[in-house]
Amino acid sequence: DAGVIQSPRHEVTEMGQEVTLRCKPISGHNSLFWYRQTMMRGLELLIYFNNNVPIDDSGMPEDRFSAKMPNASFSTLKIQPSEPRDSAVYFCASRPGGASGTQYFGPGTRLLVL
Amino acid sequence: DQQVKQNSPSLSVQEGRISILNCDYTNSMFDYFLWYKKYPAEGPTFLISISSIKDKNEDGRFTVFLNKSAKHLSLHIVPSQPGDSAVYFCAAIPSGNTGKLIFGQGTTLQVKP
Repeated sequence: DAGVIQSPRHEVTEMGQEVTLRCKPISGHNSLFWYRQTMMRGLELLIYFNNNVPIDDSGMPEDRFSAKMPNASFSTLKIQPSEPRDSAVYFCASRPGGASGTQYFGPGTRLLVL
Repeated sequence: DQQVKQNSPSLSVQEGRISILNCDYTNSMFDYFLWYKKYPAEGPTFLISISSIKDKNEDGRFTVFLNKSAKHLSLHIVPSQPGDSAVYFCAAIPSGNTGKLIFGQGTTLQVKP
């Protein structure tokens, strides 16, 4: 089992550019979560999907952020245009069925927007 | 509003002694509480959980205690080992079968040899 896979691991971009973060959940998991970690706000949930359907996107900071899950094995988080305050570590997590099920986190993508 | 709070940003203990990490919550409508451990440059990994209907859960060196009247959760690590040095996050799952996690700010544990 390869675990949750995220790419890229590091991203440095300039303000105004589009950024796309990618996630491959663990096979068989039917829920996928995107989190952002910053010094100021800690780990915060941005959006999560059940069976590829977005359930709660209330944590998405603003319209510049969008997430998709076109199939059970792939999800993207896009920031367009990016701003320096978007600099953070972005984690993807997946979970098998059941609300009490453990979430398994990927290694994260460290984003720096200059 | 921070629903899950870890008021101690750091903790340092001697190898072999007990580590006690604390967490407070403000919302009574949580079904489960979890502890995650995070090493630098890695994602958080699940450590132990407890249902809101229980007051203790033990797994090896790790025990989680839940005091619902005080809205307080603690993680005990006995004995502490240098490899336990990491950031520990308390998290809660709200009622409603959503499974979404609400995290505390984290506590950095350092276990000195």
